[in-house]
Amino acid sequence: DTEVTQTPKHLVMGMTNKKSLKCEQHMGHRAMYWYKQKAKKPPELMFVYSYEKLSINESVPSRFSPECPNSSLLNLHLHALQPEDSALYLCASSQDDRAVQPQHFGDGTRLSIL
Amino acid sequence: AQSVTQPDIHITVSEGASLELRCNYSYGATPYLFWYVQSPGQGLQLLLKYFSGDTLVQGIKGFEAEFKRSQSSFNLRKPSVHWSDAAEYFCAVGPPSGAGNNRKLIWGLGTSLAVNP
Repeated sequence: DTEVTQTPKHLVMGMTNKKSLKCEQHMGHRAMYWYKQKAKKPPELMFVYSYEKLSINESVPSRFSPECPNSSLLNLHLHALQPEDSALYLCASSQDDRAVQPQHFGDGTRLSIL
Repeated sequence: AQSVTQPDIHITVSEGASLELRCNYSYGATPYLFWYVQSPGQGLQLLLKYFSGDTLVQGIKGFEAEFKRSQSSFNLRKPSVHWSDAAEYFCAVGPPSGAGNNRKLIWGLGTSLAVNP
């Protein structure tokens, strides 16, 4: 069972589109993460939210905009993406962020930029 | 410099055979150690972690790992591999505590496991 749920599973968008990725967890975890993963590579940390506040931004371009509406939800808003942004986007959670050590991952959104 | 090395990019084993995946790290102090598995088309799953104490750690799916401080290694083992174990395996290390970006995990590049019937 996946305890972190991500939607959509697949997304194809043009470079001028605006779309959002969604992530939800109901484990009471207070830290949530966005990772970007290219094929056959380890995940790269993008953002960390702790108690609904942004605690880490790994110098991610502004065309990616995270949002944490409440302790269970995490969104990633996308605008004017580039072809190199095509990747698997993974959401993860952990009980807290004293150390950035994700415990549960969602299955990801596979994003393709045309 | 802090780093994680998984020397084997790809390993093929026969179903029922034993498995050992290697992980070596370079870190200033004894870090927390992790193994994650990623099956095709899925996210990552935490197999096991070592924080302190007994250096032989039991995880899910019948996996275990042994921390060897003298060798800076944290190798993953399974006595009998199943076809469903075919996946990508990532070793990662991180600080027990810290501030800012020092809290991040450092990832190995992964080992791809294929299982022959």
